[in-house]
Amino acid sequence: EIVLTQSPATLSLSPGERATLSCRASQSVSSYLAWYQQKPGQAPRLLIYDASNRATGIPARFSGSGSGTDFTLTISSLEPEDFAVYYCQQRSSWPITFGQGTRLEIK
Amino acid sequence: EVQLLESGGGLVQPGGSLRLSCAASGFTFSSYAMSWVRQAPGKGLEWVSAITSSGGSTYYADSVRGRFTISRDNSKNTLFLQMNSLSAEDTAVYYCAKPMRSNHFDYWGQGTLVTVSS
Repeated sequence: EIVLTQSPATLSLSPGERATLSCRASQSVSSYLAWYQQKPGQAPRLLIYDASNRATGIPARFSGSGSGTDFTLTISSLEPEDFAVYYCQQRSSWPITFGQGTRLEIK
Repeated sequence: EVQLLESGGGLVQPGGSLRLSCAASGFTFSSYAMSWVRQAPGKGLEWVSAITSSGGSTYYADSVRGRFTISRDNSKNTLFLQMNSLSAEDTAVYYCAKPMRSNHFDYWGQGTLVTVSS
C-alpha cells in the first residue's frame, strides 16, 4: 500500500498570503495524484488531478506540481473561503489511498 | 447535472449488517467505475471499495475485504455496498464517488452516516 504523508498537519496563514502544502508518497505514484478540499459538513471537492491539472471550475489561484514521490499544492493568495482541510490522493496502484490531511486555518 | 444520493445508513449493533445504496443521475452511469469512500468522525478520508463499469471487477481496502461487498445495477443507475460483521471501527460517513476517466473523484454524494454501537 502506498502511504501518503501530508505536511504540515496544520498551517496558519492570513488572507492574501501564499499557502504551500506538501504530500509525499512512500513510493512513486508518477503523476497520478489529486488534491481535494473539504469544508465542515461537506463532501470533498476535487481541486487538482494528475498532479497539475485544475478541475472544472477551480480558480487559477490553486496550482499543483510534482511527480514521483513529492507533490505540492499552492494557493497563490488565500481567500477567506480557502480555509479548510486539504487531502491528497493517489490512483497509481490499488488500494487507492489518501493522505491524512492538512488543516489550513486563519491566523 | 450529476447527482449522487446515498441512503441506507443508520444505527446498527456490532456484528450486524447494513446495505447502502447510491442513486446516480446526470451521467451515463454504466460507463463509469464507482467507489465508496468513508470518513470516521473527525478523521480523514479512507477509500473503501471500487467496482468497474460493468461490475466485472471489484476492489477492496484490506480493512473491509471479506466483510463488505460492492455491487451495482446499471439498469437502475444504482451502486450498493453490503456491509456485514460491522464493528465500531466502521462508524463513519460513507460517500459514493464518481471518478473521472481515471480514479480521481470529480463528484461525491452528500454521504450517509453509519453508526455501529450497542
